Amino acid sequence: EVQLVESGGGLVQPGGSLRLSCAASGFTFNSYSMNWVRRAPGKGLEWISYISGGSGTIYYADSVKGRFTISRDNAKNSLYLQMNSLRAEDTALYYCARGRVYDAFDIWGQGTMVTVSS
Amino acid sequence: QSVLTQPPSVSAAPGQKVTISCSGSSSNIGNNYVSWYQQLPGTAPKVLIYETNKRPSGIPDRFSGSKSGTSATLGITGLQTGDEADYYCGTWDSSLSVVVFGGGTKLTVL
Repeated sequence: EVQLVESGGGLVQPGGSLRLSCAASGFTFNSYSMNWVRRAPGKGLEWISYISGGSGTIYYADSVKGRFTISRDNAKNSLYLQMNSLRAEDTALYYCARGRVYDAFDIWGQGTMVTVSS
Repeated sequence: QSVLTQPPSVSAAPGQKVTISCSGSSSNIGNNYVSWYQQLPGTAPKVLIYETNKRPSGIPDRFSGSKSGTSATLGITGLQTGDEADYYCGTWDSSLSVVVFGGGTKLTVL
């Protein structure tokens, strides 16, 4: 079964850091581009970052550029999001999703919740 | 403020048809594929339409997508109560080099 499972969310103070992980299974991970998308409480979907299969191409939304870093370990079939300098407005359910930026995101994880609060 | 504009809500009776619009610009919808996603309460988003008008396997033909210029439309026929969800359009913005989503449309089946 094709599956994405996120982990690493939790409660963190403003200015703090958190690392999210996304474990992939059921497909050839290194052949696929991956993304992080979030949904803040009461808000809509917001794409935040993309990484190509070989990590050669990376994009970020302006809202996280310079604070978040996307990476992947194809040997471990895993995608990561290092989040630094966290703000209250980063509070959201974070999803990993498979797909190229020009195409649809066809597989989504169930999400991991990040809460930034003192 | 989203780059893509969707109506906040739409509603219709069971069995009826509804359309959801998504308005953008030449740098996004006008020159790129559009995708549509359904997010049922408490679940992850699911792709309904890819490459503007194609349905993944398993998506019923009650769902359709189209585009004209810088606007895209999702159509849903034969509405069911199980279709109540949030719907999002998404595409690549070639000028901004980011993926953009619409603000989302909440569908209520009365």
